Amino acid sequence: DAGVTQSPTHLIKTRGQHVTLRCSPISGHKSVSWYQQVLGQGPQFIFQYYEKEERGRGNFPDRFSARQFPNYSSELNVNALLLGDSALYLCASSLRVGGNQPQHFGDGTRLSIL
Amino acid sequence: GQQVMQIPQYQHVQEGEDFTTYCNSSTTLSNIQWYKQRPGGHPVFLIQLVKSGEVKKQKRLTFQFGEAKKNSSLHITATQTTDVGTYFCAGPLYNFNKFYFGSGTKLNVKP
Repeated sequence: DAGVTQSPTHLIKTRGQHVTLRCSPISGHKSVSWYQQVLGQGPQFIFQYYEKEERGRGNFPDRFSARQFPNYSSELNVNALLLGDSALYLCASSLRVGGNQPQHFGDGTRLSIL
Repeated sequence: GQQVMQIPQYQHVQEGEDFTTYCNSSTTLSNIQWYKQRPGGHPVFLIQLVKSGEVKKQKRLTFQFGEAKKNSSLHITATQTTDVGTYFCAGPLYNFNKFYFGSGTKLNVKP
């Protein structure tokens, strides 16, 4: 079975631009979460979606938004990019929503802001 | 706000030595999960602990959840080079739909 897939794997943008990152969960998983991981730190929770609805949001500005589609795939959008947005963006899927669900991560999208 | 702290930040061991990382939360956790991230890779789920005082073993790895459900530990016996990576603990925040990862312990094993 395919794991969590993310695209693109790498992306270079300049300040002020916007970016869309994509994620396909493991088949049968209905919840998708997004994390930002800066080098040397643990993943920081951005969003959790379940059945196309936002179920949790971390401490990120409104420049960050996401959505989940009927097939449970998801997009993370970041507007007005800042240098500090450079990071590895990880998508994780789980069977259901909730903090007791193991997270299955994709390989991530490495975003560099110039 | 709730914080999950891990110590040590780094650990360098000789192959065959034991290794322990500790995770401490400022608030009671409903459960705690452990993940391993290899260099250049993504976090991989290892285990979940739910009950107070719970102990689980996976081969050379032993996981414990504290009696007060505010701390946890991961102990690796006789480390191998394949154990290299960063170990994270993680738990849910207040409303149970947010996940908070600790800062991680980076393990390096010298052959």
